[in-house]
Amino acid sequence: GALVYQYPRRTICKSGTSMRMECQAVGFQATSVAWYRQSPQKTFELIALSTVNSAIKYEQNFTQEKFPISHPNLSFSSMTVLNAYLEDRGLYLCGASDWGSSAETLYFGSGTRLTVL
Amino acid sequence: GQGVEQPDNLMSVEGTFARVNCTYSTSGFNGLSWYQQREGHAPVFLSYVVLDGLKDSGHFSTFLSRSNGYSYLLLTELQIKDSASYLCAVRAYQGGRALIFGTGTTVSVSP
Repeated sequence: GALVYQYPRRTICKSGTSMRMECQAVGFQATSVAWYRQSPQKTFELIALSTVNSAIKYEQNFTQEKFPISHPNLSFSSMTVLNAYLEDRGLYLCGASDWGSSAETLYFGSGTRLTVL
Repeated sequence: GQGVEQPDNLMSVEGTFARVNCTYSTSGFNGLSWYQQREGHAPVFLSYVVLDGLKDSGHFSTFLSRSNGYSYLLLTELQIKDSASYLCAVRAYQGGRALIFGTGTTVSVSP
């Protein structure tokens, strides 16, 4: 089956520091990877959509300078939160889809919960 | 602006049904998906609809009306384990394929 491993599951960082999270796709080809942040109020925000061999598209209020993303191949993607502050806390989720088979299905990682002190 | 709206909570009783509503307003429409998310876990794909009408998938069904910007997820013969958050997500035209999610409806099933 198709799975996405996301790590770390939880991380705590000091205000102003940075942290990186990674997603590994197994059993399918992660043609595109969307990164989301789910706030404590459960609001789902799309940060960016990354497609292999194409430019990464960031949503309004999110920038490459703050959330640099790497998507070097069809099985891996990473995102870093630079200079994290309180407003960056939440559950970060990667959702990958395989355009070659079931483009409409997003396979999610288990999420990285970021706490900022 | 673009948005996907869902009620926050829905309570129902084991053995009955629950209907989770979703309304959306997007610049273009390229399909609507439903996901189930349990507390502390990642969303899991349930269903995808792009044409108007009812799609029956056994334990649950999904309905779509594109002209009204409306969909619902119908859960039948509810079990306690169906208690979870149900997320509606819309794919809009914007040169990309990212989904726009609603905040989810927490369904609580009591005995």
